[in-house]
Amino acid sequence: TQLLEQSPQFLSIQEGENLTVYCNYSSVFSSLQWYRQEPGEGPVLLVTVVTGGEVKKLKRLTFQFGDARKDSSLHITAAQPGDTGLYLCAGAGGSQGNLIFGKGTKLSVKP
Amino acid sequence: ETGVTQSPTHLIKTRGQQVTLRCSSQSGHNTVSWYQQALGQGPQFIFQYYREEENGRGNFPPRFSGLQFPNYSSELNVNALELDDSALYLCASSHGTSRYNEQFFGPGTRLTVL
Repeated sequence: TQLLEQSPQFLSIQEGENLTVYCNYSSVFSSLQWYRQEPGEGPVLLVTVVTGGEVKKLKRLTFQFGDARKDSSLHITAAQPGDTGLYLCAGAGGSQGNLIFGKGTKLSVKP
Repeated sequence: ETGVTQSPTHLIKTRGQQVTLRCSSQSGHNTVSWYQQALGQGPQFIFQYYREEENGRGNFPPRFSGLQFPNYSSELNVNALELDDSALYLCASSHGTSRYNEQFFGPGTRLTVL
């Protein structure tokens, strides 16, 4: 059972455009983590959000945690080809110390 | 500070064979988690090891087993390989007392079962 739903599943945009990807979940997690994964590589941690309503910025990336801690978004401003990859959200707080992942949003930024 | 390393990077096996994958955790981390990532899917939790003991397990059959060593490195063993075991196997390390369970991943081992 997939507790986290990510949307859209695929996104193809031109360099310089803005975009937002979403992560919604049916449980409340103690924290939410966003990762970026390139083909053939492991996921790389981008940010951890913990507090409802929290906003974190990482250069052109803005991460938001919903007030009720049941949704999160990632906004990229002026996307670049280097932003291409699979963006995964993962909830922490599983009973076994595991992260629960969504299926990811596959982003392609064309020059 | 060294990151998480995994070996081998790629592996091809046939059905029924057994495989061992290896992981060295990031320095300072005492917890290792293993995930299976099928094509087009997010990682699925297999199990976690903390201080050489299995600390939690996902919905995987007993033919998936593991070990953690005193230096916190870990092995994932899969017996009686099936075609559906073809996937990217990811190891992640963390500190057992980390409040937010931030996990840091290795590059993965791509397993192909023919």
